[in-house]
Amino acid sequence: EAQVTQNPRYLITVTGKKLTVTCSQNMNHEYMSWYRQDPGLGLRQIYYSMNVEVTDKGDVPEGYKVSRKEKRNFPLILESPSPNQTSLYFCASSSPTGFGAEAFFGQGTRLTVV
Amino acid sequence: EDQVTQSPEALRLQEGESSSLNCSYTVSGLRGLFWYRQDPGKGPEFLFTLYSAGEEKEKERLKATLTKKESFLHITAPKPEDSATYLCAVKDTDKLIFGTGTRLQVFP
Repeated sequence: EAQVTQNPRYLITVTGKKLTVTCSQNMNHEYMSWYRQDPGLGLRQIYYSMNVEVTDKGDVPEGYKVSRKEKRNFPLILESPSPNQTSLYFCASSSPTGFGAEAFFGQGTRLTVV
Repeated sequence: EDQVTQSPEALRLQEGESSSLNCSYTVSGLRGLFWYRQDPGKGPEFLFTLYSAGEEKEKERLKATLTKKESFLHITAPKPEDSATYLCAVKDTDKLIFGTGTRLQVFP
């Protein structure tokens, strides 16, 4: 079954404690991206990657890092989380011709930073 | 600045009562407009892609249309299972820009 898998689904952490949210896809997609979703603001892109070792900033990259060492994985790293990073996070992947068009989304990670 | 605006924010319909959702956009170089459905606690699910003005796509009770400045998602004779948030997004170069969505509730 084609899918994007994120872990964990729920996470409560304290300010400043480094964390990683994993994302893996099984569709051999080149394009992967991370979004955060906040009430009234919609989905906003954090980072995206067009292929292995190629990443670029989205609209709200501050406070986040990503890496793309393998095609299937695209982890999101928060080096020093702050309460304003409390949000619902989604990872997505698509084929290069789609470029995020027919994107497949993960189930989401609800992060709370206290 | 690229922008996507969806209206209304929320819509309540009786089962069978047809209606339309609007997505207006301003983008320097449109490379596609997309509709997604999102159920509570889940990731968005792709519905349609539209690339050029005049294009239409249909899927069951949903029909998406595109003009040069906006797109409509028409819902014909909706059922309670159509209740969800519908998201519109436009592609500008390598980025998808999302609207804030329309929350649709269909009552029996």
